[in-house]
Amino acid sequence: GAGVSQSPSNKVTEKGKDVELRCDPISGHTALYWYRQSLGQGLEFLIYFQGNSAPDKSGLPSDRFSAERTGGSVSTLTIQRTQQEDSAVYLCASSLARGGGPQHFGDGTRLSIL
Amino acid sequence: DAKTTQPNSMESNEEEPVHLPCNHSTISGTDYIHWYRQLPSQGPEYVIHGLTSNVNNRMASLAIAEDRKSSTLILHRATLRDAAVYYCILRRDGGSQGNLIFGKGTKLSVKP
Repeated sequence: GAGVSQSPSNKVTEKGKDVELRCDPISGHTALYWYRQSLGQGLEFLIYFQGNSAPDKSGLPSDRFSAERTGGSVSTLTIQRTQQEDSAVYLCASSLARGGGPQHFGDGTRLSIL
Repeated sequence: DAKTTQPNSMESNEEEPVHLPCNHSTISGTDYIHWYRQLPSQGPEYVIHGLTSNVNNRMASLAIAEDRKSSTLILHRATLRDAAVYYCILRRDGGSQGNLIFGKGTKLSVKP
């Protein structure tokens, strides 16, 4: 498909475990964003990558969260030592350019911490 | 980015027009008005955006007040599939912040 792809679509894990969430952006999109949405809440920005620039990590809630983007394409969001408050839907988006271009979102990974 | 204010919820009947309002009284001259919507269990979807002039696309129309302190997203004939949360967001094109700042949006219900 031509859209943003995220995997897995659902992830259930035990408290304290590490998890990795994957995002495949639309081909050619230079900007990639991670957001999370807790139950009944709005979207919260986490991190974004633009080309080869250093990522904007200003939205990461703690040092347990990290992300990387390899080869300017696929991105992985890693949460170490998961806590119950990390339970949320994690959404990835990509866009053609920084600034005003529309962002295209995947359908997210629903993460549940037991 | 400047703040926007939207009603928490609205209801519409199927096949009738829907006007979703957004107030943005502190908008600056370089802020674009963007609308996204989020259907249940899906990621947000871009709807439309504009700067000063009214805009139309296949999904909706955007009417922007002359003073730009408010705007209205217009769905010309609501369908059940239009039931979603609609977000009005200001973006400063070319600005240093790339992320979107989502508020709580307006939850639109469409009755058959």
